[in-house]
Amino acid sequence: QSVLTQPPSASGTPGQRVTISCSGSSSNIGSNTVNWYQQLPGTAPKLLIYSNNQRPSGVPDRFSGSKSGTSASLAISGLQSEDEADYYCAAWDDSLNGHWVFGGGTKLTVL
Amino acid sequence: QVQLQESGPGLVKPSQTLSLTCTVSGGSISSGSYYWSWIRQPAGKGLEWIGRIYTSGSTNYNPSLKSRVTISVDTSKNQFSLKLSSVTAADTAVYYCAREGGIAVAGTTYNWFDPWGQGTLVTVSS
Repeated sequence: QSVLTQPPSASGTPGQRVTISCSGSSSNIGSNTVNWYQQLPGTAPKLLIYSNNQRPSGVPDRFSGSKSGTSASLAISGLQSEDEADYYCAAWDDSLNGHWVFGGGTKLTVL
Repeated sequence: QVQLQESGPGLVKPSQTLSLTCTVSGGSISSGSYYWSWIRQPAGKGLEWIGRIYTSGSTNYNPSLKSRVTISVDTSKNQFSLKLSSVTAADTAVYYCAREGGIAVAGTTYNWFDPWGQGTLVTVSS
């Protein structure tokens, strides 16, 4: 059972916009920023969004992030086949001397 | 740019200690204000943060693993290491090392994991 809650799956057709939610609590998302990671099949996770809504260099602007209260969202517009991957949210949790927590991951399927 | 590479035994017997090393290349492990983390992923499951070390040697561990985890750093070799004791089959996973960096704004630090190593599979089995 992950501390951050994500839907296990999401899907969309090419060109569509999809959103993935991430729900937490006051000790993690409510107090700290959220990062998103993309994990393509058979590879290591890669930073996709940091500090709620910032894109690292090289990440297309089709990817965007937002946060409100104790929840965050990742939006992917203009869906492409290469976006098919697992997506994880993460946040620092201030409880128990502090530790990182992840969502359980959302598998995105491009139909 | 900085790259990380995990290394260590791929098979560990139950009750023994899992030991992995992460070698940092393309930059000094001591430079900058970075933490160095270990994260694992059982097959078909999500990510679990294990712990981190700062170059000063200070550490933070996942509360659920704290009693079994030790993370250390060897700045002379540009490496940091993970030891996980009393392993069971539940510790079978791909283990990743990652650099944790970020920015400080108005006294608050915002961090993230980037880059990651490619990961190494550790199987716990007799």
